[in-house]
Amino acid sequence: LAKTTQPISMDSYEGQEVNITCSHNNIATNDYITWYQQFPSQGPRFIIQGYKTKVTNEVASLFIPADRKSSTLSLPRVSLSDTAVYYCLVGDIKPLGGSYIPTFGRGTSLIVHP
Amino acid sequence: SQTIHQWPATLVQPVGSPLSLECTVEGTSNPNLYWYRQAAGRGLQLLFYSVGIGQISSEVPQNLSASRPQDRQFILSSKKLLLSDSGFYLCAIDARAYGYTFGSGTRLTVV
Repeated sequence: LAKTTQPISMDSYEGQEVNITCSHNNIATNDYITWYQQFPSQGPRFIIQGYKTKVTNEVASLFIPADRKSSTLSLPRVSLSDTAVYYCLVGDIKPLGGSYIPTFGRGTSLIVHP
Repeated sequence: SQTIHQWPATLVQPVGSPLSLECTVEGTSNPNLYWYRQAAGRGLQLLFYSVGIGQISSEVPQNLSASRPQDRQFILSSKKLLLSDSGFYLCAIDARAYGYTFGSGTRLTVV
């Protein structure tokens, strides 16, 4: 499994764009990159997933350079409700019947200030 | 859509008492199931995962065990709880194309 490294914490202010970078130097060819968000006393919630280049949905964007050794989660115009822990996961998504063992690190604790 | 039911939401148990946490899944068949634990201020630690009925893999040697008696039922147990077993326990299902879906969790406090 590819090991990931993220900043332990980040601070931002309402309305700003937040970029959280995750390093995964030993990412494998079949590995996807997935980001989750976790609020206190809740389970993590899927945010976005990508393999290469850029992926965008209604919540965030995910930028993945050509070498795929890192990825950046971008949250546009954050609000107080975006205060949460953000996890980066790297792993192989196998066809039905296979197994995918997700490993969560400590994540990045994002605090959005008024 | 897939739904995970996890109970109880909170639990306070004395040291040495047994534990049984249950997770049931709806909306899918033959899922991969996972038990995670999160200690206060820590990340998520994978405890067990199961790829089918009766198939359990343990990631961390500890005071806990898991069982999967039915396709969509995953149980976490302990014969004698330790103080260090306190934490937030989460059941998760492998949603394949869209990552993982987690249950609402059980906050366990061992006193």
